[in-house]
Amino acid sequence: DVKLVQSGAEVKKPGESLRISCKGSGYNFNTYWIAWVRQMSGKGLEWMGIIYPGDSDTRYSPSFRGQVTISADKSNSTAYVQWSSLKASDTAMYYCARHSGRWYSSGWADSWGQGTLVTVSS
Amino acid sequence: QSVLTQPPSASGTPGQRVTISCSGSSSNIGSNSVNWYQQLPGTAPKLLIYSNSQRPSGVPDRFSGSKSGTSASLAISGLQSEDEADYYCAAWDDSLNAWVFGGGTKLTVL
Repeated sequence: DVKLVQSGAEVKKPGESLRISCKGSGYNFNTYWIAWVRQMSGKGLEWMGIIYPGDSDTRYSPSFRGQVTISADKSNSTAYVQWSSLKASDTAMYYCARHSGRWYSSGWADSWGQGTLVTVSS
Repeated sequence: QSVLTQPPSASGTPGQRVTISCSGSSSNIGSNSVNWYQQLPGTAPKLLIYSNSQRPSGVPDRFSGSKSGTSASLAISGLQSEDEADYYCAAWDDSLNAWVFGGGTKLTVL
């Protein structure tokens, strides 16, 4: 069965860098888009961006472009999101999700990771 | 402010039918399909409805979705206590070139 397993919770200081991961199994990782979604404490879902591991085609939400970098290592069936300089406002739960669409603009998120809590505090 | 507009809360008693609305525009709901996600307390979101009205395997037929023009709705019939959760609509936005979510609706079963 399809599984997305995310890396563990992180506590970082402002200005530090971070990369969190999402490892897929139970399906052909290269042929499904992987989306990243942010959820700040007590708030709603925000779409950050999406990557096609097969060719690393990546699209970003305007709100997150330049703030994060999404990547994938298809040899390890793992997708990543990274920050070069964290801010306190990056404190949130981050989810990855497999997207079923043939294109980044179609389909639906049919399987979700368990979430990675990122806390940025001095 | 979310691009898709949902009521912040909804409620009903066990057995009742409740509906949750999701209002958008011609660049999102008006031209693309709508998906719905359920987020139980303390858990990751789960796909509930896709392509406006399709239910994934395992989702009870008490849940149904519809779309008309630039609005969509999620209906839950025979409300149960385990339906207490946050519900989100989502659609692709052609103008923003991004997926957009509604702000979420917290459903309380009284």
